[in-house]
Amino acid sequence: QSVLTQPPSVSAAPGQKVTISCSGSSSNIGNNHVSWYQQFPGTVPKLVIYENNKRPSGIPDRFSGSKSGTSATLGITGLQTGDEADYYCVTWDRSLSAGVFGGGTKLTVL
Amino acid sequence: EVQVVESGGGLVKPGGSLRLSCAASGFTFSSYSMNWVRQAPGKGLEWVSSISSASSYLYYAGSVKGRFTISRDNAKNSVYLQMNSLRAEDTAVYYCAGDPTGEYYFDYWGQGTLVTVSS
Repeated sequence: QSVLTQPPSVSAAPGQKVTISCSGSSSNIGNNHVSWYQQFPGTVPKLVIYENNKRPSGIPDRFSGSKSGTSATLGITGLQTGDEADYYCVTWDRSLSAGVFGGGTKLTVL
Repeated sequence: EVQVVESGGGLVKPGGSLRLSCAASGFTFSSYSMNWVRQAPGKGLEWVSSISSASSYLYYAGSVKGRFTISRDNAKNSVYLQMNSLRAEDTAVYYCAGDPTGEYYFDYWGQGTLVTVSS
């Protein structure tokens, strides 16, 4: 299983808010920045949050990121059906000397 | 316009070798750390390897350490992944991804190249 733990799935209604958690340890999230990626089926992952809470150009402010201790959270407000995708967190792990991804979370907008 | 293009994937028998290439343009390649990330069919993303901008630091996932070697040629704006002793579990789409600061976020991705390890 993954070093970083994400819920396999989350769901919410259009217009609502959802959060996706990413839980790690002091060797990874606790001491390094976290980034988040959105991936639609059959497409290339896309960066939506970097350095815990920064949005790349072109990413709407409906997307937000935060980090506290050894956990990080991706938030999406004003959900749209077009937000349905898989979301992954990633960071560096000092103990492993390796990059580590979460297992991914499938977002369903009901 | 940023372009990242992987090549070199294909069908290989268990125990065989492949060399993946990634050609980049449209950004300052020589200042970027470069990474390989893979995704097995129907599975999540898995970080494979990274190389710092000047090739000073090379890192590998435990699952590929000792079998895969990452390298780069800044004069050619290219990064490579030599894969030896391939196993069925290495079957995946391999993405090349650029990291501008070494903080392990990837803002530029290629379309990926499929590696299939099967007899």
